[in-house]
Amino acid sequence: GAGVSQSPSNKVTEKGKDVELRCDPISGHTALYWYRQRLGQGLEFLIYFQGNSAPDKSGLPSDRFSAERTGESVSTLTIQRTQQEDSAVYLCASSLDRYYEQYFGPGTRLTVT
Amino acid sequence: GDSVTQMEGPVTLSEEAFLTINCTYTATGYPSLFWYVQYPGEGLQLLLKATKADDKGSNKGFEATYRKETTSFHLEKGSVQVSDSAVYFCALREIQGAQKLVFGQGTRLTINP
Repeated sequence: GAGVSQSPSNKVTEKGKDVELRCDPISGHTALYWYRQRLGQGLEFLIYFQGNSAPDKSGLPSDRFSAERTGESVSTLTIQRTQQEDSAVYLCASSLDRYYEQYFGPGTRLTVT
Repeated sequence: GDSVTQMEGPVTLSEEAFLTINCTYTATGYPSLFWYVQYPGEGLQLLLKATKADDKGSNKGFEATYRKETTSFHLEKGSVQVSDSAVYFCALREIQGAQKLVFGQGTRLTINP
């Protein structure tokens, strides 16, 4: 079946602009995670959604970052007033629920100029 | 909080050499442990996992054993191939809350023919 998909695959934006990144999880997966991978570093957790429960936003680095997910469908990660330090690959993962294996999407490479 | 420390790279080996990539962790309780691989131009894939002490995960000739006493999960392969060239990430899954993955910084492996 279809895996996790993300769009766009690449995004170049000017400092100060807002960007929106999209994640389509595997159908039926109730858990969805966003991670950030800065150049040469491991992945950092950003936010977690589980069904209709309140999300775990503990990894969001600042109030410029926000994310939404309606039920068990698509999620969007929004970064307002982008800064150069936001440049990274943003990865989305989904799983049946939090106790199961996480499947990763191909990522969105964000470059802030 | 929980953390993963991974052998720094990059690592360059000749084909058929023996590979070890060290990984140690600090965690509350006994988390599941993982090795993920990121091949050039591809997304993050699960390579192997172990869910409890003394478990050995294996896949594609790679092995790693969950060592509770030394809090380690070192990745090994007896004879590497050029196609094993990739970035390898060690990770643990937290046992509470979102059960998010906590990653090491990654090790870039290059195998020369």
